[in-house]
Amino acid sequence: RKEVEQDPGPFNVPEGATVAFNCTYSNSASQSFFWYRQDCRKEPKLLMSVYSSGNEDGRFTAQLNRASQYISLLIRDSKLSDSATYLCVVNVAYSGAGSYQLTFGKGTKLSVIP
Amino acid sequence: DGGITQSPKYLFRKEGQNVTLSCEQNLNHDAMYWYRQDPGQGLRLIYYSQIVNDFQKGDIAEGYSVSREKKESFPLTVTSAQKNPTAFYLCASSMKRTPNTEAFFGQGTRLTVV
Repeated sequence: RKEVEQDPGPFNVPEGATVAFNCTYSNSASQSFFWYRQDCRKEPKLLMSVYSSGNEDGRFTAQLNRASQYISLLIRDSKLSDSATYLCVVNVAYSGAGSYQLTFGKGTKLSVIP
Repeated sequence: DGGITQSPKYLFRKEGQNVTLSCEQNLNHDAMYWYRQDPGQGLRLIYYSQIVNDFQKGDIAEGYSVSREKKESFPLTVTSAQKNPTAFYLCASSMKRTPNTEAFFGQGTRLTVV
């Protein structure tokens, strides 16, 4: 099983729709979680961190379920500008030395259609 | 301004040549990473380094080499042994010992073999 898995996509949705992405992780020692956005031919940029209680930033809501080892990203009222690839990122403790390593999912492509 | 800088943005290489991609950060981050991204694909980890003078292979290290002589710098050499080097290369950095740290990316180097 891969360490971080995401919905394969692509997701093609009309403007104004609500879309949800899921991501599962295999390492129970995972400490922190993030969603990144990557536009075509650009570098990934942090969209939001995912906190254990869930968090919201405008139209975006991220949730974490540690028991089931998945995180989700919900986008409400989709805009054309939301079209991008969304990457799930997990920070895992290793070596028992207080060090952490980031692991990326392969990403889910979203296309918002007029 | 603090950040992570990759150079060059575009690079052309003849078959059989080695090339070195530069990655410099002034964020005082311990950890640095190199990823490869092919068109329509996710990020694949080539090498990572958690501390100066130490680095580990990622999932696709064959045909690549790195060094970490300084905290700020993590150059990647694409050797002639890499059979299909044309890709988008991304360098990232993060704090090693902080669980809630995010990764910061450079703008990437697009390598083409001609």
